[in-house]
Amino acid sequence: SQTIHQWPATLVQPVGSPLSLECTVEGTSNPNLYWYRQAAGRGLQLLFYSVGIGQISSEVPQNLSASRPQDRQFILSSKKLLLSDSGFYLCAWSTQGAYNEQFFGPGTRLTVL
Amino acid sequence: AQSVTQPDIHITVSEGASLELRCNYSYGATPYLFWYVQSPGQGLQLLLKYFSGDTLVQGIKGFEAEFKRSQSSFNLRKPSVHWSDAAEYFCAVGAPGGTSYGKLTFGQGTILTVHP
Repeated sequence: SQTIHQWPATLVQPVGSPLSLECTVEGTSNPNLYWYRQAAGRGLQLLFYSVGIGQISSEVPQNLSASRPQDRQFILSSKKLLLSDSGFYLCAWSTQGAYNEQFFGPGTRLTVL
Repeated sequence: AQSVTQPDIHITVSEGASLELRCNYSYGATPYLFWYVQSPGQGLQLLLKYFSGDTLVQGIKGFEAEFKRSQSSFNLRKPSVHWSDAAEYFCAVGAPGGTSYGKLTFGQGTILTVHP
């Protein structure tokens, strides 16, 4: 069966510090991968998606970047965090060429102080 | 581009009462439709999905949803709510076709509170 992991589970970082959040998927190959941010009362905002190694598409301009160094690994990064980067970050995967059904990881709670 | 509206931000029901959460979508053709549930501090869990065929779909935890093309709606229902159903519920729409890259558009969510 497939599983998706995210770490860390929680993170408190000062403004201006770097960020690296990691997501890995097990039990599937060549998945589509997604990063979402969830702010209180604002639903889910798609930040990045990837259809293959090294292929990253950004949905919104922001202070963040994403990379996919391996087939089942998706990393969210920032060089300098802003207060507005605080939120709950969710990684998800779906099967390529299928019916869009996405499976979510447990999320990372990021607080920028 | 598709969009999703969940008109109710917060709904409160008594345990044992029936439940209906509303979802309206905007899309030029028949989309793929989903309902997810999220407990506080957790990821999203898929409750049910509609791709084609029978417009009444059954999901996990006793939930069902009905696709109504004429109303562009995909409302979630449960005949008898349990206290453990308290959570936030998200409706999502996806566009069929490879160029969508599996992306989903989510509604803003409906928070469900269950009173004993």
